[in-house]
Amino acid sequence: AQSVTQLGSHVSVSEGALVLLRCNYSSSVPPYLFWYVQYPNQGLQLLLKYTSAATLVKGINGFEAEFKKSETSFHLTKPSAHMSDAAEYFCAVSSFQGAQKLVFGQGTRLTINP
Amino acid sequence: ETGVTQSPTHLIKTRGQQVTLRCSSQSGHNTVSWYQQALGQGPQFIFQYYREEENGRGNFPPRFSGLQFPNYSSELNVNALELDDSALYLCASSLGLPVEGYTFGSGTRLTVV
Repeated sequence: AQSVTQLGSHVSVSEGALVLLRCNYSSSVPPYLFWYVQYPNQGLQLLLKYTSAATLVKGINGFEAEFKKSETSFHLTKPSAHMSDAAEYFCAVSSFQGAQKLVFGQGTRLTINP
Repeated sequence: ETGVTQSPTHLIKTRGQQVTLRCSSQSGHNTVSWYQQALGQGPQFIFQYYREEENGRGNFPPRFSGLQFPNYSSELNVNALELDDSALYLCASSLGLPVEGYTFGSGTRLTVV
């Protein structure tokens, strides 16, 4: 079985500060890992994905994430926060086996302070 | 390239009624998945269809059912609605390989009263 734990349901940072959103996963098979962003009253937009190539993955809007197998982590970072980054962020795990469903974490709400 | 479109965007139903939600997949995508997102929660996998056949199901009762059509559009049907069915229902399409990622629609907000 696969699962995702996102540490911190709410994260608040100042504009221009580092953004760090934490994600730990559990998977009995090699995982595929994703970060999605959800703006109010909208669906999910893919930020980036890890699919067993480079462990440091760059995504859209200046976000990146590093896959660390030894720590079973896939934390999302951005060097400098913008007001437009305020949203809900979801980490998800999948695999190449079975129904290839996405298993999501509970989400982290990111607030940017001016 | 068109994205994933869902209809309707909002819906209010009475407990015990039935509802049908619709989804048009992104062009070229042959796999569609449905997710339920309760308020303040992450999306939960309902089921997936690949080339008109159910290809996996999450922990949802049989009153949640689906269809995928030859053009890869899809429906989610929920019978005997309960108050706890109130949620955002998301459709996601893909090429059937997780490495390709999933494209989500904007969802249908279902309220059961």
